[in-house]
Amino acid sequence: GAVVSQHPSRVICKSGTSVKIECRSLDFQATTMFWYRQFPKQSLMLMATSNEGSKATYEQGVEKDKFLINHASLTLSTLTVTSAHPEDSSFYICSARVTPAETQYFGPGTRLLVL
Amino acid sequence: AQSVTQPDIHITVSEGASLELRCNYSYGATPYLFWYVQSPGQGLQLLLKYFSGDTLVQGIKGFEAEFKRSQSSFNLRKPSVHWSDAAEYFCAVGAGGNQFYFGTGTSLTVIP
Repeated sequence: GAVVSQHPSRVICKSGTSVKIECRSLDFQATTMFWYRQFPKQSLMLMATSNEGSKATYEQGVEKDKFLINHASLTLSTLTVTSAHPEDSSFYICSARVTPAETQYFGPGTRLLVL
Repeated sequence: AQSVTQPDIHITVSEGASLELRCNYSYGATPYLFWYVQSPGQGLQLLLKYFSGDTLVQGIKGFEAEFKRSQSSFNLRKPSVHWSDAAEYFCAVGAGGNQFYFGTGTSLTVIP
């Protein structure tokens, strides 16, 4: 149980285009989903927290107009990187929380490369 | 402020040897504690967690961890390491609500 999927697993795009990443909780309902960014050989950096049906809460320094997050249902959250640039290239990981417990279950990640 | 410290950036052990990965946290109350493992290019897999009760918790893949309140520690252990255990290990602390803090990770290399 507690499986989280992400799609796509990797994506290559041209600079200036937008990329959408999906995060799904497959066998449970997640009222809260989290989006992280991970640089090579570093820990995870929380970008934003999204609650189903409400606006995402962004961490300091994360541009909400660049990283659009939608959490339209209890099993799906999307992260859209708008007008992507090479510096946005990274590994993006989502997680979903099973309430009332505090465990976060993580997706397999999405490798984004912006050329 | 809450924080999670993993003092060892990189550890190398021989296959079959025992393993202990250290994790210390700073938090005013008893937090929720987690250990995750990440293989290269993959997401994070939950190894074990501590919420309350018995301070020695068993996880998957033969791992265990012990919560020591007096030392603010939650060290991960395995009695006999396998080559497939080579990965990055992250300790994490849930401090209630949406607060969740990761350590910087410990990279484990297993030599034959």
